[in-house]
Amino acid sequence: NAGVTQTPKFQVLKTGQSMTLQCAQDMNHEYMSWYRQDPGMGLRLIHYSVGAGITDQGEVPNGYNVSRSTTEDFPLRLLSAAPSQTSVYFCASSYDSGTGEQFFGPGTRLTVL
Amino acid sequence: AQKVTQAQTEISVVEKEDVTLDCVYETRDTTYYLFWYKQPPSGELVFLIRRNSFDEQNEISGRYSWNFQKSTSSFNFTITASQVVDSAVYFCALSETGNQFYFGTGTSLTVIP
Repeated sequence: NAGVTQTPKFQVLKTGQSMTLQCAQDMNHEYMSWYRQDPGMGLRLIHYSVGAGITDQGEVPNGYNVSRSTTEDFPLRLLSAAPSQTSVYFCASSYDSGTGEQFFGPGTRLTVL
Repeated sequence: AQKVTQAQTEISVVEKEDVTLDCVYETRDTTYYLFWYKQPPSGELVFLIRRNSFDEQNEISGRYSWNFQKSTSSFNFTITASQVVDSAVYFCALSETGNQFYFGTGTSLTVIP
């Protein structure tokens, strides 16, 4: 049981490049979410999904896209990276929609130059 | 406006002292959930507790205890007889109906041996 996995662990991009952060869980959780963590800002919700085919915006969705084609995977796409997207990104999943304990992945540290 | 306020940015205590981390939340929902998470220096996020809005009983788990008071919209966390391993950033979070999670900005606790 791997829990929530994220790849890559570290990434450096140039402004304007695109990339996809991968997130997978093997707990059969319906709810999955993406956060970014910035110094002094805590964690802020980017997008979330309550099941395959269903996604919605969180607090800071601009510049990010998501899709959920399977229960297990919830990738986060940066279409045109900007320095303001330099952050640590966490993926999480929960058994109980948005009200249960969330299990977090180890995080991806992204730097945009 | 911040939905979750953790006014204490950094706290330092000497080992074996008790310490209370404050959390004040704001919501108009009658049904909501409150959480505490721990982020040790290694960076992962560890779930500590979940409380729903209908359960105001205080909870104790070993050296940890939580005080939930709806009258003051607070959900404070106390560590008794602190240990060096308690050094971490602690986040309080709120989930309302609608699957949105809101995290506070965190309190960085340093326990000095």
